[in-house]
This record gives sequence, C-alpha cells and structure tokens, in this order.
Amino acid sequence: GAGVSQSPRYKVAKRGQDVALRCDPISGHVSLFWYQQALGQGPEFLTYFQNEAQLDKSGLPSDRFFAERPEGSVSTLKIQRTQQEDSAVYLCASRAERSSYNEQFFGPGTRLTVL
Amino acid sequence: AQKVTQAQTEISVVEKEDVTLDCVYETRDTTYYLFWYKQPPSGELVFLIRRNSFDEQNEINGRYSWNFQKSTSSFNFTITASQVVDSAVYFCALSEAGNYGGSQGNLIFGKGTKLSVKP
Repeated sequence: GAGVSQSPRYKVAKRGQDVALRCDPISGHVSLFWYQQALGQGPEFLTYFQNEAQLDKSGLPSDRFFAERPEGSVSTLKIQRTQQEDSAVYLCASRAERSSYNEQFFGPGTRLTVL
Repeated sequence: AQKVTQAQTEISVVEKEDVTLDCVYETRDTTYYLFWYKQPPSGELVFLIRRNSFDEQNEINGRYSWNFQKSTSSFNFTITASQVVDSAVYFCALSEAGNYGGSQGNLIFGKGTKLSVKP
C-alpha cells in the first residue's frame, strides 16, 4: 500500500484482556515509531525501532506494554492485562532511512477502549 | 527538556474569519525541527509543514501561513479566510535535528488546539 496501515482500527477489550495492535509501515522504511494519544491530548512517544532493533522503549508506560518488529517491517504493539487507563488511540509512524527533516508518515491509528 | 505548549485549547470562528493558532516551544538543542499537523475527526495526522531551526523565513501556502520567531520560541500558524473544512485539531510538534542515520527524532507534541469553523 502507499501509506502506513494499522489494524484493527477499533478494539474494545475487557479489563484484564491482552491485545495486539498491528502496524504495516511504508515499504522500505527503516524507522518505526509508536505513539499513544489519550483523549484530548497530543500523541506521546512510546517506542522506536530501527529495522528490527528496538532502540528506545523509554516511553512505554509499564511492563505490560511490549513491542516487536522481528523482520524489520511489520510491528506489533502488545498490551497485557489491559487497564482502563490504557484506553487511547495508538498511532504508528514510519520514516525512510535518509529522510530529511525527520519526515514521519502516520497511520490512521487504533482506538483502544478498555471496559 | 523539550516541551511544546499550545495555550489555546479550543477556538471557534465563523467562516471567512482569519485565525491564528499559537505554539511556543522549549528546547536546549541548537538545531531542531518544528512541525504542524492537522487531525480531522477521522483521526489521521496530516502533515502540514516543517521548519528548520536555522530557517526563520515565514512561509505561505495558499490560505495557510506560518510565522517562526526564534527569539520568542514561537511557531504560529495562521489560516486566512477559514472554511468549514478547516475544522480539526491542530498539533504543533518539535524534534531534534541531525543525521537520521543515527538520530532518533521522536516527535514532541503539544496538546493541540481544536478549531471549529462555523458556516
């Protein structure tokens, strides 16, 4: 596809369930970011991959959050034992290796609602 | 620490009015990038503009214009003759600059300004 895609677009989970959110970056993009956007707030950085290497996970809010990108393309953000405070839109962005000006392309996001 | 402040939470205007969205940033970096994104109700972040910290030229793109003032750490966005389709949440963002072979460059966003343009 031409852009970044994310699935599912919407996810409703009961508190305590595990969820997995998928991101398909633009083909060939080396860098991949995950951001969390709470209601009424700006996106906040969660984690960064360069190819398959997770170089920064400083923004992950707890050890219930885990991200992977095993083959350097598709990435999955997993949240274990979901809590109500995990309800947010999760945005994925990708960037080409030689991007000037830090041009990040965003997907449509996954809206997670934890009941 | 890096920080972006958008003091205006919500703005409501009538169509054809001009509107300015304010953005103030903090950074210790001497080189950095500034961005504006639009987020319509569909939720996808739409890139509008980026500026280098060393390029203080103002920019105009149709009805949109941006005023970057390093002296006041501000990067304001003006929509001229607003239209209903401009209704969205607008985010200002900041990142470090550098060689993206090595730098990371995660974006630091403000909290956004919700713009409502009424017919």
